Amino acid sequence: GESVGLHLPTLSVQEGDNSIINCAYSNSASDYFIWYKQESGKGPQFIIDIRSNMDKRQGQRVTVLLNKTVKHLSLQIAATQPGDSAVYFCAEINSSGGYNKLIFGAGTRLAVHP
Amino acid sequence: ETGVTQTPRHLVMGMTNKKSLKCEQHLGHNAMYWYKQSAKKPLELMFVYSLEERVENNSVPSRFSPECPNSSHLFLHLHTLQPEDSALYLCASSQDLLRLRGTDTQYFGPGTRLTVL
Repeated sequence: GESVGLHLPTLSVQEGDNSIINCAYSNSASDYFIWYKQESGKGPQFIIDIRSNMDKRQGQRVTVLLNKTVKHLSLQIAATQPGDSAVYFCAEINSSGGYNKLIFGAGTRLAVHP
Repeated sequence: ETGVTQTPRHLVMGMTNKKSLKCEQHLGHNAMYWYKQSAKKPLELMFVYSLEERVENNSVPSRFSPECPNSSHLFLHLHTLQPEDSALYLCASSQDLLRLRGTDTQYFGPGTRLTVL
């Protein structure tokens, strides 16, 4: 797949279990964060976002938690399925230069075992 | 899929070759981006275009030359590359540069896997 070769931390879970993927961000002034999922052979795809005035946001089977005190994001996936196997990236908005751009974290590979 | 297509999907080239990567977005977006994804730096922003004007060159070597002839097309011209340039090159687009919120996020193409021999 297209993300093979990346030297990433790997989270291995059993199908049906809950997954928690963590991310630390660098800029305490960042006010918007996104989680992306990159499946083999594809580019990153938007999963869920959260603004800095929120601590938690829920989507379909996914929840993002934001702890601004320690500059930490987490993505929780409920009842993990084989189709959730992918690399997951967090991203923060950086507004230097007069426009918004995404700064991506290193990524975590999620491996779901039957 | 995402409305962003990239060709070719795979490219092998020698260090003396000249080649081009192509990106096309069918979303009516005004901003387009090139990223490099490698084992060392998973997602590294290279270039940003808004309304066909380059607004960011993120310290990219001159052997990479972008071109944006219109808001739907973005090219990356490659010449005299090095083996360390081998990576996945991703193109993305967004409605514009100023928001990147919610549905104004970036939409990525599938990438071109480049190998430099």
